[in-house]
Amino acid sequence: DSGVTQTPKHLITATGQRVTLRCSPRSGDLSVYWYQQSLDQGLQFLIQYYNGEERAKGNILERFSAQQFPDLHSELNLSSLELGDSALYFCASSGVAGPNTGELFFGEGSRLTVL
Amino acid sequence: SQQGEEDPQALSIQEGENATMNCSYKTSINNLQWYRQNSGRGLVHLILIRSNEREKHSGRLRVTLDTSKKSSSLLITASRAADTASYFCAEVGGSQGNLIFGKGTKLSVKP
Repeated sequence: DSGVTQTPKHLITATGQRVTLRCSPRSGDLSVYWYQQSLDQGLQFLIQYYNGEERAKGNILERFSAQQFPDLHSELNLSSLELGDSALYFCASSGVAGPNTGELFFGEGSRLTVL
Repeated sequence: SQQGEEDPQALSIQEGENATMNCSYKTSINNLQWYRQNSGRGLVHLILIRSNEREKHSGRLRVTLDTSKKSSSLLITASRAADTASYFCAEVGGSQGNLIFGKGTKLSVKP
């Protein structure tokens, strides 16, 4: 058990809909990362937050947004969903951020299926 | 794309054999990490090697790093069926410290 909790584990929805994925990082970790894993694109970095503030942005679509709350949990909002958004979405946390980032602790992921 | 690449994409071996996976990365790293993912599960950190290190061991794992070639390799010795998983290398990208993962090597160890 990594200590990172993601909900929901599975989600099935229709095109055009909006969903929210939730992540609770390991106790004490200030950094939260979101990744998307699909068969064709592999593991893509979406966005990173550190202590409530956006720290780095990757290949995140404009239809997607995220935030980290004062209690350090994070939410990833996906809107106007398309079939291609079907993927595993992972949250990871770490105690540090910056160029000396160490080990990331991953949650078990939220599997999104868009029909 | 900033993603590095693992080689081979897939590897099938017998229990007891050694498995070697290679990774090429793109940035000037501070460290490079290897992760393991069982099918459909979260990634688990295996080992971290810093840019000033050339080799590191952890149990049956041996990682090497060649910064001049921007490459790393992961060796799993005396493999077991339980080692069946996908293995990813990850470089710390840029000044913000986000990890950029390669596409992974899918390892199958047959009993």
